[in-house]
Amino acid sequence: NAGVTQTPKFRILKIGQSMTLQCTQDMNHNYMYWYRQDPGMGLKLIYYSVGAGITDKGEVPNGYNVSRSTTEDFPLRLELAAPSQTSVYFCASSSGRLKNEQFFGPGTRLTVL
Amino acid sequence: TQLLEQSPQFLSIQEGENLTVYCNSSSVFSSLQWYRQEPGEGPVLLVTVVTGGEVKKLKRLTFQFGDARKDSSLHITAAQPGDTGLYLCAGAPLDYNTDKLIFGTGTRLQVFP
Repeated sequence: NAGVTQTPKFRILKIGQSMTLQCTQDMNHNYMYWYRQDPGMGLKLIYYSVGAGITDKGEVPNGYNVSRSTTEDFPLRLELAAPSQTSVYFCASSSGRLKNEQFFGPGTRLTVL
Repeated sequence: TQLLEQSPQFLSIQEGENLTVYCNSSSVFSSLQWYRQEPGEGPVLLVTVVTGGEVKKLKRLTFQFGDARKDSSLHITAAQPGDTGLYLCAGAPLDYNTDKLIFGTGTRLQVFP
């Protein structure tokens, strides 16, 4: 199993550009999450999904959108990139059982200039 | 309001020393998890503690859940350079949406040879 995979690994955007961060998991997990981690900080939840077709906002959803058309994929969309969105983005998945223990991808480092 | 406070924020020690990291809250948690994040990678789950007063050991790492389930500690014996990383506690308070986790502020550990 590859676990949770994220692409791209690095990306530089100009202000106002758009992009989609891809996340795929092969563990048949129903629960998926997007977090951002600013330098030296913990994790902040952007959006999450408890199953295909169901998404919900987390702590910091402004400026982002998500969709969940399949169990495996949970892309995160940035429509109008802003410097405040410079961060490292992590996708995670969970079976929802076992106390919601989460498995993380390797992250996407995004810089908005 | 930060529901999970970790201390210390930073810790730099020599190889062979012992250390303890704390995760505190005013809320009661059904369980708490500890993750370790190495530079450039996503967090990896170390352990989940569930019962008040529970102690779990993972080689040189000892995890304890407070009797009242409001706090947890991580003790490392004879630290090694490979223990370097960001340690995060996470959980869901009893009156919280258990579909998602709250992450602590993190403790950044550096172990020098």
